[in-house]
Parts: sequence; structure tokens; C-alpha cells
Amino acid sequence: RKEVEQDPGPFNVPEGATVAFNCTYSNSASQSFFWYRQDCRKEPKLLMSVYSSGNEDGRFTAQLNRASQYISLLIRDSKLSDSATYLCVVMGNTDKLIFGTGTRLQVFP
Amino acid sequence: AAGVIQSPRHLIKEKRETATLKCYPIPRHDTVYWYQQGPGQDPQFLISFYEKMQSDKGSIPDRFSAQQFSDYHSELNMSSLELGDSALYFCASSARRAKNIQYFGAGTRLSVL
Repeated sequence: RKEVEQDPGPFNVPEGATVAFNCTYSNSASQSFFWYRQDCRKEPKLLMSVYSSGNEDGRFTAQLNRASQYISLLIRDSKLSDSATYLCVVMGNTDKLIFGTGTRLQVFP
Repeated sequence: AAGVIQSPRHLIKEKRETATLKCYPIPRHDTVYWYQQGPGQDPQFLISFYEKMQSDKGSIPDRFSAQQFSDYHSELNMSSLELGDSALYFCASSARRAKNIQYFGAGTRLSVL
């Protein structure tokens, strides 16, 4: 079983839709949490860090539930440019990032 | 703003050959990480360095070695290449005081024939 689990999708949504991604992690000692975005054959780019209090960055809202070891990402008003793979990432007490397999999002006109 | 620079961007090698990948971190970043992403896979941590010392080690084969130099750039050396080593190799860097924010380079695509 992978340490970080995500639904691989794909999620096919129309422009303007709201879409939510979920992720679970198995190591309760994990300390930092992130969503990264990866376009095909390109590098992962940090989308946002995730905090227990929840945080929002424009159309993106992330939430962490430590008790359930669950992380979510909500994208409102989807744009064509949001089409990408969204990677749920955790970091433990070492520096390394542990990636989920990613959830593919395709926004269509 | 300057980003993480990796070279070469593409590399084609034959089985049993060697390869050297280079990574130049963002200026003033002192920590470098290497990740391997196979086709259809998520990135897997290989190894990291802080102030020229290895700080963590992941699933890096014994055939691979890496180091960080005094100017903080890092090199990943890969020997006796196998077909399964074909992958995207990403380098990331961070500042130790903000170690949980890692910025990735564009990657080196290695193809072993």
C-alpha cells in the first residue's frame, strides 16, 4: 500500500465547474503537506501548502484533517489552464517529499 | 527569478554506460534533493544533501552516487545503466531555514537503449 493514496482519475469537468480531490496518508508522523501541480513531462510545481486550519489561494482551497489523515483540494470556477495532474505530497521528519500517484484533471470547453 | 537549473535536459545512453546529471540550485539555497520519475509513476526520492553532506537517502541504487560541491551544485552519477533507469530525473532545492518548500528544476530525461 502506498504511503500517500489518491484517486488517479481522470476527472473530466466543464469550464466553470467546481471539482474536489482527496488524498489519504498512512504515516501519522507526517508533518508538512502540500499540493503540487504537474503538467505532462514537466516538473512538479508547488500549488499550495496545506494547514489544519484550511487555506485558500484564489480559486483553490486546501484542507487537512490530521485525525483522519486526509487532505483535500477544491478548485472553483475551473479554467482550461487548470488541466494537469495534481499531486498530493507529504513530508515526514526528514526532508524528503512523498508523492501520491496524482489525480489527472481535464477541463473541457 | 532564478530557478533550479538542470543539465542536460535530455540524455540518451546505452546499457552499461555511465551518465552524469548536474543540478544548480536557486541562489542561496543550501539543500539539494534528487527524485526519479518513471513513466506513469510519481516522483520517488533518491537522495539529498545539505551543506555538502548527505542528509537523507531513499531508494537509490548502489550503482548511483551523488555529491554536493562547495558552490552547492550537485551531480548524480549513474553507472552500469539499465533499461529500467530510463526516467525523468528531477533536482529540487530549498533553503534550510525553509526546508519544507522545495522548488523543482525542469528535469533531465534519460533514455537508456
